[in-house]
Amino acid sequence: DSGVTQTPKHLITATGQRVTLRCSPRSGDLSVYWYQQSLDQGLQFLIQYYNGEERAKGNILERFSAQQFPDLHSELNLSSLELGDSALYFCASSPGLANEQYFGPGTRLTVT
Amino acid sequence: AQSVAQPEDQVNVAEGNPLTVKCTYSVSGNPYLFWYVQYPNRGLQFLLKYITGDNLVKGSYGFEAEFNKSQTSFHLKKPSALVSDSALYFCAVRTGTYKYIFGTGTRLKVLA
Repeated sequence: DSGVTQTPKHLITATGQRVTLRCSPRSGDLSVYWYQQSLDQGLQFLIQYYNGEERAKGNILERFSAQQFPDLHSELNLSSLELGDSALYFCASSPGLANEQYFGPGTRLTVT
Repeated sequence: AQSVAQPEDQVNVAEGNPLTVKCTYSVSGNPYLFWYVQYPNRGLQFLLKYITGDNLVKGSYGFEAEFNKSQTSFHLKKPSALVSDSALYFCAVRTGTYKYIFGTGTRLKVLA
């Protein structure tokens, strides 16, 4: 157990809908990262937050947004969902900006 | 474009034999390099990292990796493979702008 929690574990929704994925980092970790893992795209870095501030942005679509709250938990919002958004979404955390990351168990999103 | 390559989709090795999982990268500046392992239906687990210093890095579960700047490689090695090492291995690099790029993964199969 990495200490990173993600909810929900599974999510099934329809095209056009909006969902929110939640992540609680390990105690004491200030950085939170979001990744998308799919069969055709592999593991894609979406975004990183550090102590509430956006630190780096990867291949994140404009339909997706994230934030990190004062208690350091983070949420990833996915809107106008498309079939291609079906994937495993991982959250990870680390103490600082360049440390190794500790991954949560993931949220499996299925868009029908 | 910055990238990470894992040229082998799968590596098969007999139990007790040494194993190597290859990774090369193309990143400007001084990269931070990581190896992670993923077991079925689980998040990624950190194995080891190179940031600076000795080119030979030792990590978890007896794994090690050698950083070779001239060949821009960071191959993962283990002197004696175990059946329990069978999993999906990812090489990753942190770029100078704090983005993370992961390789496509190499499936390691250790045969008893």
